[in-house]
Amino acid sequence: AQTVTQSQPEMSVQEAETVTLSCTYDTSENNYYLFWYKQPPSRQMILVIRQEAYKQQNATENRFSVNFQKAAKSFSLKISDSQLGDTAMYFCAFNNAGNMLTFGGGTRLMVKP
Amino acid sequence: EAGVAQSPRYKIIEKRQSVAFWCNPISGHATLYWYQQILGQGPKLLIQFQNNGVVDDSQLPKDRFSAERLKGVDSTLKIQPAKLEDSAVYLCASSLAPPYEQYFGPGTRLTVT
Repeated sequence: AQTVTQSQPEMSVQEAETVTLSCTYDTSENNYYLFWYKQPPSRQMILVIRQEAYKQQNATENRFSVNFQKAAKSFSLKISDSQLGDTAMYFCAFNNAGNMLTFGGGTRLMVKP
Repeated sequence: EAGVAQSPRYKIIEKRQSVAFWCNPISGHATLYWYQQILGQGPKLLIQFQNNGVVDDSQLPKDRFSAERLKGVDSTLKIQPAKLEDSAVYLCASSLAPPYEQYFGPGTRLTVT
């Protein structure tokens, strides 16, 4: 079974600064997908970024980028130029190419003005 | 494009009562998921449908939980009888097919007293 671990329950960052959220996972599969989801206080889960394991290039989406280290089974999220609207729970998730999405426990990010 | 719709948004019931949640996925999305998110935790998959067939229900407590997806579109999740530990947010999500991104609804917050 796959497991996803987010070791930082809470983090805070000053507005306009950069923050990195950590995620590690455990799997014996070689082909899989990794995601970061954001869940603001309103509760609706929103996809932030996705990474295919077969791609060596790290995914980027505007201010969001990942550092994917396949050998280390690490998938961190970097948020640049943090904005107040980035305040939310962030969940790392693993998808075994067709099977269920396994979520980590989440990191609560607070962006301070 | 309309998002995933869920109702009700909130529900309070007493233990041993029954409750049902409804989900309408994004049009054209063949795959539908129900997740349980206990406060402070990441979502846990309860059941996954592909069209109107069940793909994975290994984590669904079948003695009290049931779900159906008639005609491969809308879905209902039922709990009967409810227990205190069922208090959680129930999230519905849909996708074109695994492992594409899952789009989440706003969730139903269930409180069992």
